[in-house]
Amino acid sequence: GENVEQHPSTLSVQEGDSAVIKCTYSDSASNYFPWYKQELGKRPQLIIDIRSNVGEKKDQRIAVTLNKTAKHFSLHITETQPEDSAVYFCAAFPSNTGNQFYFGTGTSLTVIP
Amino acid sequence: NAGVTQTPKFQVLKTGQSMTLQCAQDMNHNSMYWYRQDPGMGLRLIYYSASEGTTDKGEVPNGYNVSRLNKREFSLRLESAAPSQTSVYFCASNPAGELFFGEGSRLTVL
Repeated sequence: GENVEQHPSTLSVQEGDSAVIKCTYSDSASNYFPWYKQELGKRPQLIIDIRSNVGEKKDQRIAVTLNKTAKHFSLHITETQPEDSAVYFCAAFPSNTGNQFYFGTGTSLTVIP
Repeated sequence: NAGVTQTPKFQVLKTGQSMTLQCAQDMNHNSMYWYRQDPGMGLRLIYYSASEGTTDKGEVPNGYNVSRLNKREFSLRLESAAPSQTSVYFCASNPAGELFFGEGSRLTVL
């Protein structure tokens, strides 16, 4: 089955700096890659996603890049703010496993004011 | 439109007791999921249901059973709770794209 690895597990940045979180996947059948943000005590919520026919997608201060050849995708947050502090999860969705999402183990991001 | 609703939000059980976590979605989604979240281990799939009447095992199904009662409801049952099942449980639904999560159910097994 699919295996998603996520790095780093913790990340601290100064407010205003950029943050990058990286994920790799193993199954070439994966074609949908969402990123979820989970604030303390809350449910995970989708912040951005990318499909395998696209190399990059941006939404204001966040962007996701996908390299299908290398099987890795990354989340980029620019001009970080304290409210960006949360746990971020990447996920992969193989098209041939009957609707299963495979999650990375999460990155705890702390933005220091 | 409440989205995905889970009950209960908190539960404390003794080892060997049984309980059912309830989940309902009002978005007419076909697929529903149960995940558990443990520190440092991300979200692990317990069971999922691709459509009404079907259920499949995920990564960590042992000790759990599920029922897809109808298109709206997907319940998770612990027949004989164990301390290793102490976790936060999330139900989710999917219309073929984004996963929508419930608020979570924090379960402690003593």
